[in-house]
Amino acid sequence: DAKTTQPPSMDCAEGRAANLPCNHSTISGNEYVYWYRQIHSQGPQYIIHGLKNNETNEMASLIITEDRKSSTLILPHATLRDTAVYYCIVSTGGTSYGKLTFGQGTILTVHP
Amino acid sequence: DAGVIQSPRHEVTEMGQEVTLRCKPISGHNSLFWYRQTMMRGLELLIYFNNNVPIDDSGMPEDRFSAKMPNASFSTLKIQPSEPRDSAVYFCASSRTSVSNEQFFGPGTRLTVL
Repeated sequence: DAKTTQPPSMDCAEGRAANLPCNHSTISGNEYVYWYRQIHSQGPQYIIHGLKNNETNEMASLIITEDRKSSTLILPHATLRDTAVYYCIVSTGGTSYGKLTFGQGTILTVHP
Repeated sequence: DAGVIQSPRHEVTEMGQEVTLRCKPISGHNSLFWYRQTMMRGLELLIYFNNNVPIDDSGMPEDRFSAKMPNASFSTLKIQPSEPRDSAVYFCASSRTSVSNEQFFGPGTRLTVL
């Protein structure tokens, strides 16, 4: 699976949009971009995934560049409860199993 | 939906003892995963079951670790004998891989081996 690069930490003010970048320049055509987050002392939580089109759900939006070498996770109105480690993962699994390899992620801290 | 259930939530044992961690996946999910998380190594996949059959156990560290899934609603991860370096948080996750690769994680078991 392709490797991803994320900034180690980011800050965001409560109520503002949080934009978390991820580079995956070696992504293959059949690999999806997944985002998970892990709030302190809890298990990771799925957020969103996409192949090449932008995706939106009730939690977040995922913007994937046209060349698919990078993506951005957007939390439109960050709250204190969004403080967590955010993992960007590239995996072959879309409608089937693909190994999820968790890196170090980005520690997002949302400030009041 | 109760989510993925893991037991015990905390386990403290002495080196050399056998440890058994338990997991009940979400009903209807056909895939089950065991992960281990430490500060040094992060979150690592240990083993993956599909339809109760082990598919990928390349992450199992050594023969001291074994995992079973006797039926669709129960799995165990056993460490025998346990060592201090096995201290970690162990997560179980499940998914319906015929639908997507979205994995639902349990709350984890924090294992401390003295």
